[in-house]
Amino acid sequence: DQQVKQNSPSLSVQEGRISILNCDYTNSMFDYFLWYKKYPAEGPTFLISISSIKDKNEDGRFTVFLNKSAKHLSLHIVPSQPGDSAVYFCAASALTGNQFYFGTGTSLTVIP
Amino acid sequence: EAEVAQSPRYKITEKSQAVAFWCDPISGHATLYWYRQILGQGPELLVQFQDESVVDDSQLPKDRFSAERLKGVDSTLKIQPAELGDSAMYLCASSLAVGGTDTQYFGPGTRLTVL
Repeated sequence: DQQVKQNSPSLSVQEGRISILNCDYTNSMFDYFLWYKKYPAEGPTFLISISSIKDKNEDGRFTVFLNKSAKHLSLHIVPSQPGDSAVYFCAASALTGNQFYFGTGTSLTVIP
Repeated sequence: EAEVAQSPRYKITEKSQAVAFWCDPISGHATLYWYRQILGQGPELLVQFQDESVVDDSQLPKDRFSAERLKGVDSTLKIQPAELGDSAMYLCASSLAVGGTDTQYFGPGTRLTVL
């Protein structure tokens, strides 16, 4: 039973445009969310996080939006760069828990 | 910058053989995680340690998998005997403390292929 879902396995975007990666979750107890980026043959690298007390968190070109009522979060990358090409995983956790649940990943390709 | 170290990076073995993976977390990180990532899926937690104690091993196939962190620092994950379905990336991660808000830092992983 997949509690965190990334329904788009892949996404292609032109360099300089916005990339929007989406993530849905089913467990209403989740209140902390992270995005990881993964290059081939490397482990996932932490990118950005958001807790449920906020609906937006921004770090440079990366912004995560959280819609608790829809159980949906999204990662915006503006402007997209070729070096952003990677697989992006969202992960969710409950503050009272100790485990992160990962989505299946979205492979982003930024076309120069 | 401190990193999580894993070895080997790649391992090819035949089914029914034993394999072992090693992980050295970031210095000072109390919590260590082993994940399995099958191609096309997200990482799935196998076992979590806080210091030398197991916090969660509910998803570890205990008939063939074992994990230890004897001194609360580095850790070993073992599979015996390996099966074809064990082919996957095995990722180790560490975090400073236990808790749902503590960011996990991942190592480069060990790619296991079982023939």
